[in-house]
Amino acid sequence: KQEVTQIPAALSVPEGENLVLNCSFTDSAIYNLQWFRQDPGKGLTSLLLIQSSQREQTSGRLNASLDKSSGRSTLYIAASQPGDSATYLCAVRMDSSYKLIFGSGTRLLVRP
Amino acid sequence: GAVVSQHPSWVICKSGTSVKIECRSLDFQATTMFWYRQFPKQSLMLMATSNEGSKATYEQGVEKDKFLINHASLTLSTLTVTSAHPEDSSFYICSANDRDLYGYTFGSGTRLTVV
Repeated sequence: KQEVTQIPAALSVPEGENLVLNCSFTDSAIYNLQWFRQDPGKGLTSLLLIQSSQREQTSGRLNASLDKSSGRSTLYIAASQPGDSATYLCAVRMDSSYKLIFGSGTRLLVRP
Repeated sequence: GAVVSQHPSWVICKSGTSVKIECRSLDFQATTMFWYRQFPKQSLMLMATSNEGSKATYEQGVEKDKFLINHASLTLSTLTVTSAHPEDSSFYICSANDRDLYGYTFGSGTRLTVV
């Protein structure tokens, strides 16, 4: 059974700092991995989608990497801003299913 | 990109009444939609997979008679919470996938409060 873990559970950094969020999964037979952002009381906003054949994806200040063999993905946020404060969720889709399996999220606070 | 619209964004209802939540794919057709429930400070829990033109598939432990799902068209799925009780109060979110182009797109969520 696939398990997705996110570390740390919470993170507080000063504005301007570069940071890395971690996501690990136990079963490497994934179809793709997706990073989301969730603001309090809101739905999920997709940040980056990495297919199983890809190593990384970039969008603006965000860079996500994927290492299937080791079961790990990282989300790198450059030059963090207070507006980046949110909960970040990673989710994997398995080869054999349309379902997404979510990690428990990392709550990020960027202090002005 | 794909857009999913969810309504209402919040609803308050009396215990014993039913509430319907709509999830629409605005610019694509979705043969499959997903309904999630989220408790405060927790991650999303998949409740059911909604299939256009056929019965929904419910996850273990989710009461299908309590949470009725209808997916009558390629752009609309509805979740009806029947005979709602305070313990049904939660945040409900739907999602859909546009041919794997963008991964999964989520609605903005519905905050249900049963009083």
